[in-house]
Amino acid sequence: DQQVKQNSPSLSVQEGRISILNCDYTNSMFDYFLWYKKYPAEGPTFLISISSIKDKNEDGRFTVFLNKSAKHLSLHIVPSQPGDSAVYFCAAKEVDSWGKLQFGAGTQVVVTP
Amino acid sequence: DTGVSQDPRHKITKRGQNVTFRCDPISEHNRLYWYRQTLGQGPEFLTYFQNEAQLEKSRLLSDRFSAERPKGSFSTLEIQRTEQGDSAMYLCASSIGLAGGAETQYFGPGTRLLVL
Repeated sequence: DQQVKQNSPSLSVQEGRISILNCDYTNSMFDYFLWYKKYPAEGPTFLISISSIKDKNEDGRFTVFLNKSAKHLSLHIVPSQPGDSAVYFCAAKEVDSWGKLQFGAGTQVVVTP
Repeated sequence: DTGVSQDPRHKITKRGQNVTFRCDPISEHNRLYWYRQTLGQGPEFLTYFQNEAQLEKSRLLSDRFSAERPKGSFSTLEIQRTEQGDSAMYLCASSIGLAGGAETQYFGPGTRLLVL
């Protein structure tokens, strides 16, 4: 049962424009959410996280928005750069758990010149 | 380099052979996780250690899989009698272990296993 879903397998965006990646979840017990970026043949690299008590978190070009009522979160990258081309994974953790993450299937982002 | 390291990075083996992977976490991290990733999917949880204690194992971890973390430092993941379905990227992650678990897991580069 896939509790974290990334319904867009791919996204193409022009350099300098905004990239918006979406993630939906079904488990209301999730209280902590993370986004990871992954290049081929490498492990996932942490980007940004958000706790369920917040609805927005920013770090440089990356902003994550959380809509708990809709069980939806999104990652905004502004401006997009060629080095942002990678697979992006949304992950979630259940409340009071020790940290086991459940991941979505990922979205492949391609930033074109 | 103070990140998570994994060895080997690549392993090709024949069906039926045993393989062992090693993970060295970030030194001050007391939590260590193993995940498996197959093509087109996100990482899937396999097992978790708090210091040297293995506290949870996924249903994905059949009897052919065993993991250890002696002395709470590095960890090994062994697969016995490998099958072609074991072909995947095996990822190790570590975290500092905050109350409630709201901490970041840092991943190693992974070990890519191919079973022929």
